Amino acid sequence: GENVEQHPSTLSVQEGDSAVIKCTYSDSASNYFPWYKQELGKRPQLIIDIRSNVGEKKDQRIAVTLNKTAKHFSLHITETQPEDSAVYFCAASNTGNQFYFGTGTSLTVIP
Amino acid sequence: DAGITQSPRHKVTETGTPVTLRCHQTENHRYMYWYRQDPGHGLRLIHYSYGVKDTDKGEVSDGYSVSRSKTEDFLLTLESATSSQTSVYFCAISEGVFTGLTDTQYFGPGTRLTVL
Repeated sequence: GENVEQHPSTLSVQEGDSAVIKCTYSDSASNYFPWYKQELGKRPQLIIDIRSNVGEKKDQRIAVTLNKTAKHFSLHITETQPEDSAVYFCAASNTGNQFYFGTGTSLTVIP
Repeated sequence: DAGITQSPRHKVTETGTPVTLRCHQTENHRYMYWYRQDPGHGLRLIHYSYGVKDTDKGEVSDGYSVSRSKTEDFLLTLESATSSQTSVYFCAISEGVFTGLTDTQYFGPGTRLTVL
C-alpha cells in the first residue's frame, strides 16, 4: 500500500513569516493530494488539494506544489497569522478512494 | 461542514464490553470511512464502505467490525473493547462519483472513546 511521510513534526514560526511542510509518498499511482488543518479538539478540515495533472495550486496565502517525479508535495503558508496555528495533515489517494495520511505537523505561529 | 454526525461524541467503557459508534450522513455520498487518530500516528483507516453492504478493511481493522445497511449510516463495532482501542474515532465521507477521479473527503466531528 501507500506510505506517506510528513516533515517536520513540529514547526514554530514568527508571525508574518512563511511556513513550509513537506510530504513524500511511495505509490506512483497516487493522483490526489489533499491537505487538512485540524485545530485542537476539532475535526480535520480540507484547506487545499491538488491533482496529479497540476504542478501548483494557490488559494490566497496557501499554496501546494507537487513533484510527481520525486514523489513529494509541499504546503506553503505565507504571511502566517496566529490563527494558522494548528496541526496540518497531508494525504495521498488514488482512484480507489482510499486515503493515506501523514503523521501531522504541529504549527505554532508566535505573535 | 458537510452533513456528517457521529454518536456518541464521548464514551467511557470498560475492557471487554461491546461498543458501537454511529456515523450518519445527509449528503447521499457513496463512500464512508472510519479512522482512528492517535498521537504520533495521524489518521489510520480502520474500515471503509463503498456502498450499502459493501465494506472493506483498512490498515488497522483487527478488533473492529462495520456494517452499512443504509446509505446514510455506517456503524463501527468493537466486539470486546480493549485499552489499546482508546482513541478518537473519525468518520469521513466522499462522493464516489464515477469520474475516474478521487473525490474530496470530509470528516465528522469525532468520537472520543476511553476504554478503562
